[in-house]
Amino acid sequence: NAGVTQTPKFQVLKTGQSMTLQCAQDMNHEYMSWYRQDPGMGLRLIHYSVGAGITDQGEVPNGYNVSRSTTEDFPLRLLSAAPSQTSVYFCASSYRDNSPLHFGNGTRLTVT
Amino acid sequence: AQSVAQPEDQVNVAEGNPLTVKCTYSVSGNPYLFWYVQYPNRGLQFLLKYITGDNLVKGSYGFEAEFNKSQTSFHLKKPSALVSDSALYFCAVREPNQAGTALIFGKGTTLSVSS
Repeated sequence: NAGVTQTPKFQVLKTGQSMTLQCAQDMNHEYMSWYRQDPGMGLRLIHYSVGAGITDQGEVPNGYNVSRSTTEDFPLRLLSAAPSQTSVYFCASSYRDNSPLHFGNGTRLTVT
Repeated sequence: AQSVAQPEDQVNVAEGNPLTVKCTYSVSGNPYLFWYVQYPNRGLQFLLKYITGDNLVKGSYGFEAEFNKSQTSFHLKKPSALVSDSALYFCAVREPNQAGTALIFGKGTTLSVSS
């Protein structure tokens, strides 16, 4: 039982580069979300999805895109990386809105 | 819009003493409330939740939390702290039955338990 799998674990980008952070879950969860964690800022919601084909913006969506073509996958795309996007990114999923979130192990991204 | 506040950046307690980590929230209706813990260089783990019912909720590792609707609070408590409880704790809130909402987290409180 893999749970929520995030790849890569670490990534270094140069300003202006693009990349995709992968997230997959094998629990048939409808709800999936992306958060970034920065010191003193806690966890901030970037984008989320309540089911395949449905996505919405969270608190800090600028500079990020998402899609949800399948129930299992919820990739996060950085279109043109900026140093302000240096952070630890967590993907999470849950069965329904009152269920606990299951978190991936995170991706540590550095943009130089 | 929903929001959650953790007024203390850090809480220091001695091992064996009771601990409280504070959380207050703001939502339009009745909230779904959660506590999570993050150990160093680890992901987040679920501790407990309040959905409805008894205001005192018991969770993992001996933690409990009390939902207080009039004070819009959901403080995390433990009767006797352990050094191994030292970690970063997050409170989170969601408005139920509201399309277009997701779980919003507080900024976190670092708990330090000394021996």
